[in-house]
Amino acid sequence: EPEVTQTPSHQVTQMGQEVILRCVPISNHLYFYWYRQILGQKVEFLVSFYNNEISEKSEIFDDQFSVERPDGSNFTLKIRSTKLEDSAMYFCASSAPDNLYGYTFGSGTRLTVV
Amino acid sequence: AQSVAQPEDQVNVAEGNPLTVKCTYSVSGNPYLFWYVQYPNRGLQFLLKYITGDNLVKGSYGFEAEFNKSQTSFHLKKPSALVSDSALYFCAVRVLLVGNTPLVFGKGTRLSVIA
Repeated sequence: EPEVTQTPSHQVTQMGQEVILRCVPISNHLYFYWYRQILGQKVEFLVSFYNNEISEKSEIFDDQFSVERPDGSNFTLKIRSTKLEDSAMYFCASSAPDNLYGYTFGSGTRLTVV
Repeated sequence: AQSVAQPEDQVNVAEGNPLTVKCTYSVSGNPYLFWYVQYPNRGLQFLLKYITGDNLVKGSYGFEAEFNKSQTSFHLKKPSALVSDSALYFCAVRVLLVGNTPLVFGKGTRLSVIA
């Protein structure tokens, strides 16, 4: 069964550093998303991406965040200058054009900012 | 704005007993409803969805959910719980099915099935 792959599974970074979280969506999917989950809390929408541009973003997705699809397979989330409160599990998801089955999520990247 | 409420942080049930995990929603328009499960240190795994048609939908691992429009609910159920069902369960809603409108998640309910 096709999977969404996220790397790394765990990243520790110092406050103020830039991090890039990587995702490889399912190959025939056209819609891409990033969500985050602060430990023990709800899953929050960050951004959706289609046709090489952002479709929608939440209030969380401020100027410190950016997304990119640098080639035909990768979808990245960059946090320019990490803060302690960015520590969370970040999930990438993708969905097919017909979208009937919801999203397929990756296993997540646990980001720890120290 | 669309939202989802999962009123219970934790549900405990004995193995073999029926389980219910509650979810209510608020949307302007027709809701498209989903349940996801998260096992420890894993991603979100799709369980089932309601798009249209029969109000009772069946999904993976013997789970089912009933869409109730008058009560704006979409409770997850299983007739006989297994210890392996212990996980974090998320209800989610979208208004538009096709396109890039995001799923909005509830805060999750931790299900603990006791042997």
